[in-house]
Formats: sequence, structure tokens, C-alpha cells
Amino acid sequence: QVTLRESGPALVKPTQTLTLTCTFSGFSLTTRGMCVSWIRQPPGKTLEWLALIDWDGDESYSTSLKTRLTISKDTSKNQVVLTMTNMDPVDTATYYCARIREGAFFDYWGQGALVTVSS
Amino acid sequence: DIEMTQSPDSLAVSLGERATINCRSNHSVLFSPNNKNYLAWYQQKPGQPPKLLIYWASTREFGVPDRFSGSGSGTDFTLTISSLQAEDVAVYYCQQYYSTLRTFGQGTKVEIK
Repeated sequence: QVTLRESGPALVKPTQTLTLTCTFSGFSLTTRGMCVSWIRQPPGKTLEWLALIDWDGDESYSTSLKTRLTISKDTSKNQVVLTMTNMDPVDTATYYCARIREGAFFDYWGQGALVTVSS
Repeated sequence: DIEMTQSPDSLAVSLGERATINCRSNHSVLFSPNNKNYLAWYQQKPGQPPKLLIYWASTREFGVPDRFSGSGSGTDFTLTISSLQAEDVAVYYCQQYYSTLRTFGQGTKVEIK
């Protein structure tokens, strides 16, 4: 059974760095073709893809946010970590992690973590 | 980045009637070497994460009712719900994975008329 769970602070102040952890089970990120990605969704808005890391450790980032994002993995803990620097109120959103199957589409999603940026 | 545009933004359909959602990309998502369209559809209900419905433009995910179908190729795609049920009220998103830089459509809200 595949599960993913996001964890991290619910509230961050402007200019702070956000660190989110995705803890997963039911698959291994060392399996060829497996990837884990982060996606966010501001309240009432559409989904925005942020970053992914694959089984080989290769990373990809959103063009508009790549200077602020870092994704990493700890395969021994079955975790993927996303850091986003210089947080702003416009970054208020639900942040999801999702598994990518066949290196392609998102087949399993976490429940999401709502992060509010406010002073 | 590949831009995905859905139409309409919302639609209201009577129970048992057909709902059709369109998705257009500004770059073909058809990969010629394997003749696959790198496009997926997701359903999102309030307070829930998105759920995968369709991948490779027309392959239904395991457990998805067969009233959901996907079609299209290249830059133009359609998600069809053949007979709308009350539990299908949701927002539907298309998403391309042709590019490593994944992108989503803006979403289409489906309601009951």
C-alpha cells in the first residue's frame, strides 16, 4: 500500500525558509522510474508543480521558483525534503508531495500540508 | 514551459447527462518514438488531494469507473464523463508530463444542473 505524508510548519514568517518533509511507504525511491515530486495549490487556485527528484538523484525545478527551491532525498528514511527560501505571503498554499510512476504521471498523493505565510 | 489551457472554466450538467472538458497545450505532447501522448487527467474534490483518472491521454487508472474516458492527441485533448453522477462533482485538471517541467491546466469545475 502506497502512502505519502507531508509534514512541516503550518505558519512561517515572511523571509523565512520553509522546510517540508514527505515521508512515504509502499515503494522505494531506488527503483528505476520512481520519482517524488512537490506540487502546491494556493487557496481556491490551480495546481503548481514545484520540483521532483528521481531514483537516480536527478533534480528538476519549476522555472519560476528554481532559485528558491532545493529538493533532496534520504532513501534510508524513505523521505524527500523540500526547502523554499525567502517565503512571502503569496506562497501561502497547500503543499502536496506525490509519487511519479514510470517517470511520468502522479499516481499517489499525500493529503497535503497547509502553509500560511504571515507576520 | 508548456502551457495548458482548459475549457470551459466551469460547467453544469444534469445527472445522467454527458460532461465534456477540453484541454489544449501550446506544444505537442505526443512523443513520436513511442506514439504516446504525455497527458494525464485528475479529479479533485473539496478538501482532498487530486486523484489520477487517466494517463497516456486515454488509459483509465485502475478502479476508475468506465464512464470516464480520455481522448485526443498532439495538442488537443478531451475528458468525457458519459453519464454524470452526483459523486463526480469536482474540479478536473489536465497535466502534461512531456516536459520534465510539469504543468497543469487551470481546472474545470463540474457541477450538477
